[in-house]
Amino acid sequence: TQLLEQSPQFLSIQEGENLTVYCNSSSVFSSLQWYRQEPGEGPVLLVTVVTGGEVKKLKRLTFQFGDARKDSSLHITAAQPGDTGLYLCAGADSNYQLIWGAGTKLIIKP
Amino acid sequence: DSGVTQTPKHLITATGQRVTLRCSPRSGDLSVYWYQQSLDQGLQFLIQYYNGEERAKGNILERFSAQQFPDLHSELNLSSLELGDSALYFCASSAITGANVLTFGAGSRLTVL
Repeated sequence: TQLLEQSPQFLSIQEGENLTVYCNSSSVFSSLQWYRQEPGEGPVLLVTVVTGGEVKKLKRLTFQFGDARKDSSLHITAAQPGDTGLYLCAGADSNYQLIWGAGTKLIIKP
Repeated sequence: DSGVTQTPKHLITATGQRVTLRCSPRSGDLSVYWYQQSLDQGLQFLIQYYNGEERAKGNILERFSAQQFPDLHSELNLSSLELGDSALYFCASSAITGANVLTFGAGSRLTVL
């Protein structure tokens, strides 16, 4: 069974700080998606990474797919209160089904 | 508005009861997925339908069942409810089957008392 481990599970930091969230597996994924979920809402896709070593930027968010396509990271620069939410990663397995991480709950304090 | 509609938004019921959650996928999407999310937890995949047929099954209890109708809307039936079934239930849709981009609805919050 493929597993996708996210760390940390919970992170509370001050506005303006930088942070990195990790998504790791021993399995290879054909692609990996990052979602953000705000309270009372469904997850919303932030980015999909497909190629090993790929880096994508979305304003202050930088996403990287590991060279071996087994891991990914999300780095937020100068975090803002609006970045608060649950960040979920999901990897596509060989059957193109999504394997979900347990999520990182991020709180940015003003 | 994501385009995926879920009803009801909130539901309170008692143990042993049965409820039905409904989902209308985004226009043009053929695939529907159901997920369960307990408090502050990640998403647990329950089941997927594609164009009316079951395509993949996750950790769905035997007390739970689902179907996708010809008009592509889907229903998740939860029976013999237990306290532990209290959770958010999300529906998501995608254009085709496989690990595509999922568009999620706002969820149905089920509380079992």
